[in-house]
Amino acid sequence: DQQVKQNSPSLSVQEGRISILNCDYTNSMFDYFLWYKKYPAEGPTFLISISSIKDKNEDGRFTVFLNKSAKHLSLHIVPSQPGDSAVYFCAAFSGYALNFGKGTSLLVTP
Amino acid sequence: NAGVTQTPKFRILKIGQSMTLQCAQDMNHNYMYWYRQDPGMGLKLIYYSVGAGITDKGEVPNGYNVSRSTTEDFPLRLELAAPSQTSVYFCASGPSGHSGANVLTFGAGSRLTVL
Repeated sequence: DQQVKQNSPSLSVQEGRISILNCDYTNSMFDYFLWYKKYPAEGPTFLISISSIKDKNEDGRFTVFLNKSAKHLSLHIVPSQPGDSAVYFCAAFSGYALNFGKGTSLLVTP
Repeated sequence: NAGVTQTPKFRILKIGQSMTLQCAQDMNHNYMYWYRQDPGMGLKLIYYSVGAGITDKGEVPNGYNVSRSTTEDFPLRLELAAPSQTSVYFCASGPSGHSGANVLTFGAGSRLTVL
């Protein structure tokens, strides 16, 4: 049963514009959320995280927003760059391990 | 600074063969994990370990075994390989069981095909 859901398999954005990647979760006990970025033939790399006691965390061009009442989080990338083209995974901590969504493939076009 | 190293990167197995995927980390992390990723799917947890000598099952453990004799190494054993085990396998490690501190570092992956 998928507890972390990314309902958009793919997203295409023009360079310089905002990319918004969405993620929903079902388990209200999740207390920490992370976004990972993955390039082909590489392992996922950590991008940004947010604790459930916050509603926003920012790191340079990347901002994650958390809406606990809606069990929804989103990753904003501003401005988007071609090098941001990758698969983005939303993940939440459950026990000792990360519970991943299926990922959203972002393509940033020049 | 190697991080998490996985070997082999690629392997083709025949049905019924066995093999071990190796994983080593040099960050002195207590927590180690094996995930698998099937096409179009997220990563699913196979096994994890919270320290040397301690392992536990994840979401999809059937057909696999693990051991953790040292902090650094966490090999994944496939017994009697089946086509359903065709996947990309990722090993990861983390410094703490506390969720806020446990940002996982992943290896580059091992692509396994069972024919």
